[in-house]
Amino acid sequence: EVQLLESGGGLVQPGESLRLSCAASGFTFADYAVNWVRQAPGKGLEWVSGISGSGGGTYYAGSVKGRFTISRDNSRNTLYLQMNSLRVEDTAVYYCAKTQGSGTYYNPFIDGMDVWGQGTTVTVSS
Amino acid sequence: DIQMTQSPSSLSASVGDRVTITCRASQGISNYLAWYQQKPGKVPKLLIYAASTLQSGVPSRFSGSGSGTDFTLTISSLQPEDVATYYCQQYKSAPQAFGQGTKVELK
Repeated sequence: EVQLLESGGGLVQPGESLRLSCAASGFTFADYAVNWVRQAPGKGLEWVSGISGSGGGTYYAGSVKGRFTISRDNSRNTLYLQMNSLRVEDTAVYYCAKTQGSGTYYNPFIDGMDVWGQGTTVTVSS
Repeated sequence: DIQMTQSPSSLSASVGDRVTITCRASQGISNYLAWYQQKPGKVPKLLIYAASTLQSGVPSRFSGSGSGTDFTLTISSLQPEDVATYYCQQYKSAPQAFGQGTKVELK
């Protein structure tokens, strides 16, 4: 069964850091780009960041660029999101999501996100 | 960056009604568009990709159309289990972007 399982969420104060992890199973992890998508309480979905299958291409939303770093370890089938300088507005459920298509060098994110984890909650509050 | 705008933000319809949701991109995205369904308290589910390709296992009452900047998601006959929020998403270029969502309720 294809699965994604996030961990690492928690309560932190503004300005602090947190690292999220997403463990993948049931598919050839290195063949697919993966993404982080977040949802603030009562709000819509916001794409946060994505990374190509090889890890050579990383992409960010403007709201997190320079503060968050996405990475992956294909030998461990694990995706990461290092979040620094956290703000109150970063409070959300963070989902990892697998890109459905294999993509290309120019666009690794093809055909939507077909597998989602259950999410991990990040709360930034003083 | 490409912005996605959905309309309406919410709608109320009866069982059996035809429901249409529109999504507009701020610039042309060809057919690099997906639709998702999110039921309350649940994880988003991919319904349609490439603007009009139905994801495996999704009921045929769901359909998508459009290309360029204007897209639609249609539910041909609304069922009680379709109560959810629906999102469009462009994946033509990074940063990817979702629409703000359309909440579908039963009348």
